[in-house]
Amino acid sequence: AQTVTQSQPEMSVQEAETVTLSCTYDTSESDYYLFWYKQPPSRQMILVIRQEAYKQQNATENRFSVNFQKAAKSFSLKISDSQLGDAAMYFCAYRTSFTTSGTYKYIFGTGTRLKVLA
Amino acid sequence: EAQVTQNPRYLITVTGKKLTVTCSQNMNHEYMSWYRQDPGLGLRQIYYSMNVEVTDKGDVPEGYKVSRKEKRNFPLILESPSPNQTSLYFCASSTGTGADTQYFGPGTRLTVL
Repeated sequence: AQTVTQSQPEMSVQEAETVTLSCTYDTSESDYYLFWYKQPPSRQMILVIRQEAYKQQNATENRFSVNFQKAAKSFSLKISDSQLGDAAMYFCAYRTSFTTSGTYKYIFGTGTRLKVLA
Repeated sequence: EAQVTQNPRYLITVTGKKLTVTCSQNMNHEYMSWYRQDPGLGLRQIYYSMNVEVTDKGDVPEGYKVSRKEKRNFPLILESPSPNQTSLYFCASSTGTGADTQYFGPGTRLTVL
């Protein structure tokens, strides 16, 4: 079974600085997808960035980028130029490859709460 | 507007009283899923469904039932709720293809006394 580990329950960053949130996972699959979700105090789940395992190039979305190390099974999120609005809970998620019955499942990490200091 | 709706948003109930949390999406998505979120445990998948009449157990299905009679609806049923099912519940949907984006509902805060 796949597992996702976020070892940092809480992180702090100064406004305008850069912070990296870590995520490691365990799997025997070669084809899968990885995601970072943001959950602000409103509780809404917002997709930040996604990475296909077959792509070597790291995904980037504006100030958000990932460091995807497939062999090490690591998927960290870097937030550059941190803003007050980045304060939230961040979840790393793994989506399995398609099963023989044509479906898949998701496994989420336990989350990292990010505080942004003014 | 593309969205996933859940009702109710908040519910306080008592042990053993059957309840249903509705979930509906207007994006013609194939894949729908229910999660529960608990402090320190993140989100855990309860059930998921790739198609009408096809449902699969996630990691924490005990005490829950689902049905997918129509593509747009995926209700979560607690036939005999217990206090350990007090949680924040999310419904989500996606196309079911490739690196599809999951669209989440606003969440349902359930308290079982």
